Order: sequence, then C-alpha cells, then structure tokens
Amino acid sequence: KNEVEQSPQNLTAQEGEFITINCSYSVGISALHWLQQHPGGGIVSLFMLSSGKKKHGRLIATINIQEKHSSLHITASHPRDSAVYICAVEWETSGSRLTFGEGTQLTVNP
Amino acid sequence: DAGVTQSPTHLIKTRGQQVTLRCSPKSGHDTVSWYQQALGQGPQFIFQYYEEEERQRGNFPDRFSGHQFPNYSSELNVNALLLGDSALYLCASSFPTVNTEAFFGQGTRLTVV
Repeated sequence: KNEVEQSPQNLTAQEGEFITINCSYSVGISALHWLQQHPGGGIVSLFMLSSGKKKHGRLIATINIQEKHSSLHITASHPRDSAVYICAVEWETSGSRLTFGEGTQLTVNP
Repeated sequence: DAGVTQSPTHLIKTRGQQVTLRCSPKSGHDTVSWYQQALGQGPQFIFQYYEEEERQRGNFPDRFSGHQFPNYSSELNVNALLLGDSALYLCASSFPTVNTEAFFGQGTRLTVV
C-alpha cells in the first residue's frame, strides 16, 4: 500500500526554536508537497520539490529520493507559524493526485 | 486573481439528503481535484476532473459523483448522505501534468445530522 507517514504528530516549541518535521513515503514519487493548514481549513502550498532543497524565508524543505524521506525546517519559529503542516506526494504511477500524510500540529508559544 | 473559490463555506444536511458543492479553479487552471478531510486526519482523494471528464478516482462509493463544466468549474455531488460524510471538502486546481503546484480553496464544511 502506498503510504505517507509524518512525525511528530504534535509539536510544541518556544518562540525562536528551530523546528523539524519529517515525512517518509513508501514507493517512488514524482513530487512531494509541503502544505500548511490553518484552523479555518484552507490549505496553502509551501513547497513542491522532487530533489534537493528549497528555501523560502525561514522555511527550508529537503528531500532525499534514495531514502524516501523529506524534512521541513522552520528557523527562528514564531507564534504565527502555529498551524498544521502536511506532507503530500504524487506517486510515480498515479499522476497528479495527492496522497497526504496525517499532518503535524505545530504550536509555537511566545 | 481570485484563486480557488468554493461554495458554500458551511452546510448542514440531514441523513439521506443530497448535497452539491461547487468549486471555481484558479484562473488558467483546467484540472480540478476533490478531497475529503475528516476531523484530525489528512485529506483523502475523491476524484479529479480534466476536460470535463473524470480522470482519476479514489476509493469512494458511487454516491460521490462530480461534474466539470466547459469553464473548468466543478461540482461534487453526494447522494444519500451518511453521518460519516461529515467532513471538510477541499477543492484543488492545477495544470494536468505531474510536478505542478496545486492551489486549494478554503473548503466546504459539511455536517450531516
């Protein structure tokens, strides 16, 4: 079964801390997406990557295709980063449909 | 650019009823995908429409059906509603190729009572 696993499920940090969220997947992918979901429900795309590393502001996403693993890092975390972070993949055999992980609930305290 | 818009934002229906949810894709996008997100879980793929046809379908019963119009907007229909259909329904639009960024709407929160 094609699966996407995220860890941790819940993460609480103090403002300013460096945060890492991990994502592992079971078989080959075309692309991996990192997404952010706020309590209202809407989902925002943070990164889409198929190799290497991408950076946007305080956010960094990396992917290791051989190990089937990706990480999302947040540097100098801030309370406004509090949200659910979701990893989603496009399987090589499934076109552009997304398979999602369960999400990581991040809470950053001031 | 209005992005992806979904309507309505919230909806309450009774078991056994039918519901229609609507989605307008981001300008320029011709592919619409629908997802169901139960509380505390990641979204699950329902189906994807391209060129007014269902291109892919997830593991959902036939009670879930859809449509795409010539202007690329889409509808999700659910018949014979069950309590378990209560969820956030998300629409995402994109180009039809892989490795392309998906843009999501705010979702429709459906409650079945």
